[in-house]
Amino acid sequence: KAGVTQTPRYLIKTRGQQVTLSCSPISGHRSVSWYQQTPGQGLQFLFEYFSETQRNKGNFPGRFSGRQFSNSRSEMNVSTLELGDSALYLCASSDLARGTGTEAFFGQGTRLTVV
Amino acid sequence: KNEVEQSPQNLTAQEGEFITINCSYSVGISALHWLQQHPGGGIVSLFMLSSGKKKHGRLIATINIQEKHSSLHITASHPRDSAVYICAATINRDDKIIFGKGTRLHILP
Repeated sequence: KAGVTQTPRYLIKTRGQQVTLSCSPISGHRSVSWYQQTPGQGLQFLFEYFSETQRNKGNFPGRFSGRQFSNSRSEMNVSTLELGDSALYLCASSDLARGTGTEAFFGQGTRLTVV
Repeated sequence: KNEVEQSPQNLTAQEGEFITINCSYSVGISALHWLQQHPGGGIVSLFMLSSGKKKHGRLIATINIQEKHSSLHITASHPRDSAVYICAATINRDDKIIFGKGTRLHILP
């Protein structure tokens, strides 16, 4: 069974640009969660999608958005990038309806650098 | 104060030593996760537990619900165990996951 796949692995963008990151969950998993990891703040929850609906959201500005497709693949988008958005973005998938209350399988992450 | 606190922040030990990493939380949780992150960023989920104890190879995780405390133990530690270990809790009130700051473990050969 393939693991959680995130693309791209590395990305460099300039301030003001927008970026889209992709996450393909483990086959059969319907819950996808996104996290941001920075040296200063550690890992922080961004949002969770289940069956194409955003079920939970962390405390991030509206520039951070996401969506989930019918095949459970998820994308997150960050608009008007700021230097502080430079981080490792991780996604995780879970296979039970309760989503984040169950075991989560993490992807390798996308390292975004904003210059 | 963070709702999930880990200790120690950094730990250096000799190969073969018994390692303990602690995690305490201050809110109601439905699950407690232990994660491992190697340099390069990829995260591996080690354990998810809501009560008692789980064992996988040389790794043992325990949780005490009454004391709101969990520990991760590594027996016969090895340099390849060097990584950041992160404790995370799924919060009862909203199902969000809150992470500890991580423990950086370095095992010397």
